[in-house]
Amino acid sequence: DGGITQSPKYLFRKEGQNVTLSCEQNLNHDAMYWYRQDPGQGLRLIYYSQIVNDFQKGDIAEGYSVSREKKESFPLTVTSAQKNPTAFYLCASSIKTSGSYNSPLHFGNGTRLTVT
Amino acid sequence: QKEVEQNSGPLSVPEGAIASLNCTYSDRGSQSFFWYRQYSGKSPELIMSIYSNGDKEDGRFTAQLNKASQYVSLLIRDSQPSDSATYLCAVNLPGGTSYGKLTFGQGTILTVHP
Repeated sequence: DGGITQSPKYLFRKEGQNVTLSCEQNLNHDAMYWYRQDPGQGLRLIYYSQIVNDFQKGDIAEGYSVSREKKESFPLTVTSAQKNPTAFYLCASSIKTSGSYNSPLHFGNGTRLTVT
Repeated sequence: QKEVEQNSGPLSVPEGAIASLNCTYSDRGSQSFFWYRQYSGKSPELIMSIYSNGDKEDGRFTAQLNKASQYVSLLIRDSQPSDSATYLCAVNLPGGTSYGKLTFGQGTILTVHP
């Protein structure tokens, strides 16, 4: 079955440590995204990538880093510079869209990060 | 003004009733609109996508788009307790590329009571 796999499901870290969240997709989608969700809030875009070896900052990129070395993989590193890292992190992907219309995002199951 | 705005609710409807969820957006150039359902502790799942003015129906769900008034709504007919969830509206940013970069509203909590 095609889909997006995020791991781990739960992650606990001490303040000051970097942590990397995994995201793998086998949907053959070109674009991949990382969103963050805080309790009672919508999703905020951290980074996105349209093609391999290229990515762009979203609305809240400070304190995060990404890489896109393979089409299937888009890992997110939460660095110690991120002031408030505890959140629910969602990875998503989408197909290439023609014209000015967007295709919908497909989400992984998320990683819940707790930093103490 | 927020780019995508939803009433956070909670919206409470009795089982069997019609639930009406609304979303307004700020940019007239937006072309793609999506409704996602998110159960507590889970990731969002796509319910509807709509690109043209008017209504789009899929089973018990109807999405309505009015670009002139800059709103998109979701109607859920014959609401069931299993429809209780947070509903997220997502809109594309016309300044972005055709690959996405959707902006999400804060979500509306829907509760369907028996």
